[in-house]
Amino acid sequence: NAGVTQTPKFQVLKTGQSMTLQCAQDMNHNSMYWYRQDPGMGLRLIYYSASEGTTDKGEVPNGYNVSRLNKREFSLRLESAAPSQTSVYFCASSELAGISYEQYFGPGTRLTVT
Amino acid sequence: RKEVEQDPGPFNVPEGATVAFNCTYSNSASQSFFWYRQDCRKEPKLLMSVYSSGNEDGRFTAQLNRASQYISLLIRDSKLSDSATYLCVVNNDMRFGAGTRLTVKP
Repeated sequence: NAGVTQTPKFQVLKTGQSMTLQCAQDMNHNSMYWYRQDPGMGLRLIYYSASEGTTDKGEVPNGYNVSRLNKREFSLRLESAAPSQTSVYFCASSELAGISYEQYFGPGTRLTVT
Repeated sequence: RKEVEQDPGPFNVPEGATVAFNCTYSNSASQSFFWYRQDCRKEPKLLMSVYSSGNEDGRFTAQLNRASQYISLLIRDSKLSDSATYLCVVNNDMRFGAGTRLTVKP
């Protein structure tokens, strides 16, 4: 039981390049999330998927797209990377979205855009 | 005003000390609250939920003050291993605080 896995762990991109961050969970959770964490800013929600087949914008969605591929997998795509997207990206999952449900986090992807 | 605010610290305390952190939130309709712990360069992990009546888990006590719109975390008898960043989260809004860094020194 691996919990939440993310690939890659580290990535360096040049401005304008695109890439997809992958996330998978094996806990049969319905809800999945993408956050970014910047120094002094805490975790900010980019997009979430309350259930398979649905996605919704979070606090900072601009410059990102997501795909809920199936119940297990939720990917985050940067179409044209910018230096402002340098950050640590965490994927998380929970049994259901909203109140009272603990979120389980993946180990993170450290992205640098030069 | 940020929706969830925490004192960033750092809090530097000696082993055995009692330390408390507060976290204020702006949405008076918020329903659920958690404290997470994050070690350096690691993912956040749940420390404890915060219940309306307050709750305790060993050396850790969490409290909610709805009138003043804040939650608190009290750590008694601090251990070296408590050194970490503590994040509060207003779960229904999925808003995390920026975190409070704690360093416990021998």
